[in-house]
Amino acid sequence: AQSVAQPEDQVNVAEGNPLTVKCTYSVSGNPYLFWYVQYPNRGLQFLLKYITGDNLVKGSYGFEAEFNKSQTSFHLKKPSALVSDSALYFCAVTARNYQLIWGAGTKLIIKP
Amino acid sequence: GAVVSQHPSRVICKSGTSVKIECRSLDFQATTMFWYRQFPKQSLMLMATSNEGSKATYEQGVEKDKFLINHASLTLSTLTVTSAHPEDSSFYICSAPGQSPGELFFGEGSRLTVL
Repeated sequence: AQSVAQPEDQVNVAEGNPLTVKCTYSVSGNPYLFWYVQYPNRGLQFLLKYITGDNLVKGSYGFEAEFNKSQTSFHLKKPSALVSDSALYFCAVTARNYQLIWGAGTKLIIKP
Repeated sequence: GAVVSQHPSRVICKSGTSVKIECRSLDFQATTMFWYRQFPKQSLMLMATSNEGSKATYEQGVEKDKFLINHASLTLSTLTVTSAHPEDSSFYICSAPGQSPGELFFGEGSRLTVL
């Protein structure tokens, strides 16, 4: 079965430290990979995507994600976390019909 | 980027009443819109796909008669929760697809509370 796993329900990071939010997937073919962010009581916002090319993709708000085909992972990273980065982060992957398969979400808490 | 407007952002209603949530694409046409429900433990569930000019496609386990979806025009899709009950209380989010596969533009979401 096709699936996306975000193994951590919550990630806590001190402000200024690097952050990583993990995502692995099990989807056949060469899917497109996405990260979306959701602030409290809001809809989701697109953060970045990987389609092809360079394994490191850069997105909004200083975030980047690294695609690793052998590990089927697409971890979200940021070199220096801000308190305003605190939000819910979703990893998503396209299935064969281009519908998105969503991870369960990871709550990121950045402490001052 | 494209803008999707969702209304109302919050609604409180009594059990047994019906509630309509609107989703509009403001600066583009959307022949398809997706309706999600977000549960307290944060996961997103795709409920249905609305299609302009035809019937919506519901995901398995979603009651068609409970969650009525209408895609009246190229810029408007509506979700009506009929005869709402407290267990229908949730955060409902709509989205419209962009140009590339998997790209979605989301509405701001609607928090429904059924008393």
